[in-house]
Amino acid sequence: GQQLNQSPQSMFIQEGEDVSMNCTSSSIFNTWLWYKQDPGEGPVLLIALYKAGELTSNGRLTAQFGTTRKDSFLNISASIPSDVGIYFCAGNAGGTSYGKLTFGQGTILTVHP
Amino acid sequence: KAGVTQTPRYLIKTRGQQVTLSCSPISGHRSVSWYQQTPGQGLQFLFEYFSETQRNKGNFPGRFSGRQFSNSRSEMNVSTLELGDSALYLCASSLAGSNEQYFGPGTRLTVT
Repeated sequence: GQQLNQSPQSMFIQEGEDVSMNCTSSSIFNTWLWYKQDPGEGPVLLIALYKAGELTSNGRLTAQFGTTRKDSFLNISASIPSDVGIYFCAGNAGGTSYGKLTFGQGTILTVHP
Repeated sequence: KAGVTQTPRYLIKTRGQQVTLSCSPISGHRSVSWYQQTPGQGLQFLFEYFSETQRNKGNFPGRFSGRQFSNSRSEMNVSTLELGDSALYLCASSLAGSNEQYFGPGTRLTVT
């Protein structure tokens, strides 16, 4: 089945630093999404991408839909302590993949003040 | 607009029992998807319902089932619980035709 490889698995950074993480797939996706999950809560949608090459921002977050449609990238600029959490990429393959998101393994982000 | 709600938030069951979890989607959202989240397997898709019909199903045994009501509320049922069913069960809703899924807080199921 489809799998998403997300890297890095974890990051320890200082407040104010920029963060980059990425996701690669063995097959093509029509939609890429990025989520953040805090302990004991459900994932929160950060950014949705719909077109190859698309670059979308949400505040300090910027995400890109890879041109091959098999990868996506998320950047966080000027990190702050509340950025701590687990970030997930997710993709939908389109067609008959109704309602099915395939998730990466997550990137655990720790920000030191 | 209220978010996705799930009840109960926590549940402890014994092996062999069955359990029903409930999900109320965001108003106007007709698609509801269910996921199982475990430390070992991550987030795994269970199934999706739209207009009371299951349109898609993940690779889970038949012990996992669901349904959707005319008001878009959804339930999932797990019969003959096993220890490995201990997980956070998440439901997500979306508008028709959209892949932007909004998640509820989840139900933490512990099977002893």
